[in-house]
Amino acid sequence: AQKITQTQPGMFVQEKEAVTLDCTYDTSDQSYGLFWYKQPSSGEMIFLIYQGSYDEQNATEGRYSLNFQKARKSANLVISASQLGDSAMYFCAMREGLQGATNKLIFGTGTLLAVQP
Amino acid sequence: DSGVTQTPKHLITATGQRVTLRCSPRSGDLSVYWYQQSLDQGLQFLIQYYNGEERAKGNILERFSAQQFPDLHSELNLSSLELGDSALYFCASSPRGGAVETQYFGPGTRLLVL
Repeated sequence: AQKITQTQPGMFVQEKEAVTLDCTYDTSDQSYGLFWYKQPSSGEMIFLIYQGSYDEQNATEGRYSLNFQKARKSANLVISASQLGDSAMYFCAMREGLQGATNKLIFGTGTLLAVQP
Repeated sequence: DSGVTQTPKHLITATGQRVTLRCSPRSGDLSVYWYQQSLDQGLQFLIQYYNGEERAKGNILERFSAQQFPDLHSELNLSSLELGDSALYFCASSPRGGAVETQYFGPGTRLLVL
């Protein structure tokens, strides 16, 4: 069965430093997509970044980058130059296959990031 | 702002009652997804619709049902509510439910069953 594992329940980082949030996944599909979402205390889910299993380059979106290591089945999120507004829960998610009838997302348990001034 | 709207934002009701959650997808999106976020189960996929048709079902209870209307808005109906149904319910949308599309989430409806 497909599964997403986030082993860090919580993390602290100093403002302006970089931080890596870990995500490993398990799937037998050759084609899949990986996502990171941010959930601030207000509750909404904000899309951050996407990586397709066939993408050769690591995805980047502004201060967010995804360290994709396919052989190790890991898709870690790197946030550079942390800001106080980055304090939130971060979820890694995987979409089942790219050819299936559904595009449901499977989520990890999340990592709570606290940025300290 | 993702462009996905959900109403109401908060809902407090009693056990045994029925509620309806409403979602309007982003302009142009044909596919709608419903997710439940609870403390014990985390974020779980409930159901997906595409252009009015049910496309996939996840861990959705029989007491729950959904539909997508011709104008593409969707409603999630929760009946015979139990304390354990208290959760944050998200709607997400994507253009065609296709392979490489990002799902954009609405702000959620926070349901509290007393």
